[in-house]
Amino acid sequence: KAGVTQTPRYLIKTRGQQVTLSCSPISGHRSVSWYQQTPGQGLQFLFEYFSETQRNKGNFPGRFSGRQFSNSRSEMNVSTLELGDSALYLCASSLGGADEQFFGPGTRLTVL
Amino acid sequence: AQSVTQPDIHITVSEGASLELRCNYSYGATPYLFWYVQSPGQGLQLLLKYFSGDTLVQGIKGFEAEFKRSQSSFNLRKPSVHWSDAAEYFCAVAGSGGSYIPTFGRGTSLIVHP
Repeated sequence: KAGVTQTPRYLIKTRGQQVTLSCSPISGHRSVSWYQQTPGQGLQFLFEYFSETQRNKGNFPGRFSGRQFSNSRSEMNVSTLELGDSALYLCASSLGGADEQFFGPGTRLTVL
Repeated sequence: AQSVTQPDIHITVSEGASLELRCNYSYGATPYLFWYVQSPGQGLQLLLKYFSGDTLVQGIKGFEAEFKRSQSSFNLRKPSVHWSDAAEYFCAVAGSGGSYIPTFGRGTSLIVHP
């Protein structure tokens, strides 16, 4: 069974631009969660989507948004990029509920 | 609110030595507890999880963890460390307010000396 895939793996943007990251979950998984990982703040939860609906949301500004498609693939968008948005963005999928989350390799975003 | 503390930022052990990584959580009821490992440039991989039942949990790669409610701890152990175990280890807790979204600790970086 293929794992969680994230594209692109690396991205360089400049301040003020916007970016879209993509996540393809494991086949059959309907829950997709996004996390931001930085050396300073560690792993922080952004949001979770289940069956195309945002089910949980972390404490991030509105510049961070996401969506999920009918095939469970998910995208995350960050608008008006700031230097502090430089991070590893991780996507995780699961069947939902208390089921184990499977993580993708992440997208490394660098904002210059 | 749920929270996790991993008191050790770095731990250095010699190959073949035993290992214990500490994790303390804050949570009102019976938590869901996890240990994940992250190798450089990779995502997180689940080592083991505790939901209920036997408080000693066996995981992959020879790891185990023990849930101690009285101490609010879920320490990770391995009897003999291999050089390939060098990585970042994260403890996580979930279940607060009916949410299964895990809250992660800051991680412990394991360094293995030959």
